[in-house]
Amino acid sequence: GAVVSQHPSWVICKSGTSVKIECRSLDFQATTMFWYRQFPKQSLMLMATSNEGSKATYEQGVEKDKFLINHASLTLSTLTVTSAHPEDSSFYICSVGSKGWETQYFGPGTRLLVL
Amino acid sequence: DAKTTQPTSMDCAEGRAANLPCNHSTISGNEYVYWYRQIHSQGPQYIIHGLKNNETNEMASLIITEDRKSSTLILPHATLRDTAVYYCIVRRVTGGGNKLTFGTGTQLKVEL
Repeated sequence: GAVVSQHPSWVICKSGTSVKIECRSLDFQATTMFWYRQFPKQSLMLMATSNEGSKATYEQGVEKDKFLINHASLTLSTLTVTSAHPEDSSFYICSVGSKGWETQYFGPGTRLLVL
Repeated sequence: DAKTTQPTSMDCAEGRAANLPCNHSTISGNEYVYWYRQIHSQGPQYIIHGLKNNETNEMASLIITEDRKSSTLILPHATLRDTAVYYCIVRRVTGGGNKLTFGTGTQLKVEL
């Protein structure tokens, strides 16, 4: 399967600042990238789906102006948490996929702590 | 996509087979069964998937009942590193370009 990296692996920031998380598909080109969020002791919740060169499709209840997604190439997608607040503290996970693949492959996740 | 039901938790002795059940009684004919696992503080890892036939790969075996209303993931010789949350997901469309909906999964604890 595809190898996916995320950077940073963890980040601590002050309330009100913006944080950018990168997701890279290292060995395959991925037409689609997904962003998930996971709170402690809960399951993964899909936030948005992005296709290369197109605007992201956000799940219901996810604010697109707060969680900015850029998918500029087949190997890179970024998620920017704007004006972060403590309730945004979570584990953010990306995954990559493509039409010809059997399934998606996930990154290692980024832990965000907003103070 | 059909809903799945899994036990909240299971224990298994190291070296023994771990059999993780999943009920998907409302599955339709063109829906696939996928299994992922998530080791603590890591991203999910794809394990296996199938439609109606039993499947086996280097990680596990997937047994789907003839009526397809349930399935079992088998880890033949569980190790401590197999301790994780295992997710059974039923989805209509295969392919990496389509989203996955995660349930609560089964926490498997492998012990000495």
